[in-house]
Amino acid sequence: QVQLVQSGAEVKKPGASVKVSCKASGYSFTNYLIHWVRQAPGQGLEWMGVINPSGGSTWYPQRFQGRVTMTRDTSTSTVYMELTSLRSEDTATYYCAREVEAPTANDALDIWGLGTMVTVPS
Amino acid sequence: DIQMTQSPSAMSASVGDRVTITCRASQGVNNYLAWFQQKPGEVPKRLIYAASSLQSGVPSRFRGSGSGTEFTLTISSLQPEDSATYYCLQHNSYPWTFGQGTKVEIK
Repeated sequence: QVQLVQSGAEVKKPGASVKVSCKASGYSFTNYLIHWVRQAPGQGLEWMGVINPSGGSTWYPQRFQGRVTMTRDTSTSTVYMELTSLRSEDTATYYCAREVEAPTANDALDIWGLGTMVTVPS
Repeated sequence: DIQMTQSPSAMSASVGDRVTITCRASQGVNNYLAWFQQKPGEVPKRLIYAASSLQSGVPSRFRGSGSGTEFTLTISSLQPEDSATYYCLQHNSYPWTFGQGTKVEIK
């Protein structure tokens, strides 16, 4: 079935980096964009950016530019999200979710990964 | 950036009540608007896409409406399992933005 399988929980020191993976299965990997959304404990959802697995193009919001990098490996249908210079405020659950890659499809985030908890102790 | 303002931020209603949640965008998002339900400890689940299209498998008591800058999620008859936080998302333009969430509790 269609699923996005994420890597396991991480605990990182302030200033370190974390790389979270999201492996797609059950559908054509290059036909869907992958977005990353995070949620701090008890807080709302925050969009972190998107990667097009077909060509590797990315778009990040300004607040994450310079700290986040999204990459993909088409041979394993896996997308990676790396966040650097971690601080305690980055403690959150990080989700990947897909969007069909078509200009007017209007069909976003139908399938989500289970999330990866990243903890950065203060 | 487009700001999404959800109201109310929290509410309490009885089983069988009609519940309405509103999401206002700071500028038009066409109908690139989705609604998600998230229960504690669970992954967000899409309920509505394209402002008014019901996700397959979602009960018909959930209805999305609106266009332009104002959108509404209506639960026609609240059920105990609808206790959750609801989020809107605009995906008309980058950066995508979520509403701050509406927590719905059952009285």
